[in-house]
Amino acid sequence: AQSVTQLDSHVSVSEGTPVLLRCNYSSSYSPSLFWYVQHPNKGLQLLLKYTSAATLVKGINGFEAEFKKSETSFHLTKPSAHMSDAAEYFCVVSLYNQGGKLIFGQGTELSVKP
Amino acid sequence: EPEVTQTPSHQVTQMGQEVILRCVPISNHLYFYWYRQILGQKVEFLVSFYNNEISEKSEIFDDQFSVERPDGSNFTLKIRSTKLEDSAMYFCASNTRGSTDTQYFGPGTRLTVL
Repeated sequence: AQSVTQLDSHVSVSEGTPVLLRCNYSSSYSPSLFWYVQHPNKGLQLLLKYTSAATLVKGINGFEAEFKKSETSFHLTKPSAHMSDAAEYFCVVSLYNQGGKLIFGQGTELSVKP
Repeated sequence: EPEVTQTPSHQVTQMGQEVILRCVPISNHLYFYWYRQILGQKVEFLVSFYNNEISEKSEIFDDQFSVERPDGSNFTLKIRSTKLEDSAMYFCASNTRGSTDTQYFGPGTRLTVL
């Protein structure tokens, strides 16, 4: 069965330091993977997606993620955190043969300290 | 840039009442979805809809729930007799190709059942 596990419920970094949000997936098929961000009282915004092309995926706002099949991981990184990055981040897997159903991880709350 | 819109942003209702949550997907999209997020929990898939039919539904989507595309622009979620546990944020999403294509989310409707 397909699933997504986000390894940290809360990550706190200082402004200007690197960000690492960890995600592991389980999928019977070659997965499509996404990272979405949710700012307070806002909807879900796509950061980036992986669909079996390049394993290093670049997204918006300086974020990127690397698909590692051997580790079944899709960790999200950013070299330098900004205060505006404070939000909830969701790792998501798409189920190819189930009507486009998305499976969400439990989310990681990112705090950025000045 | 086109976006998915949802109305109302916040709906308060009494237990046992019917509610209809409305969504206007992006105009050229063909696949439509509803998800919900109970406070403090994961985002959960409810239903996917294509060509005026349900493509996939979760176990949450029981006989109390229904979806409809009443015209060329709206996509609605109806809950016939609301329960306290239906209180959640409900997100609508849409895309062009279903399956592994990126889903674009609306800002959500917060439903509070008293």
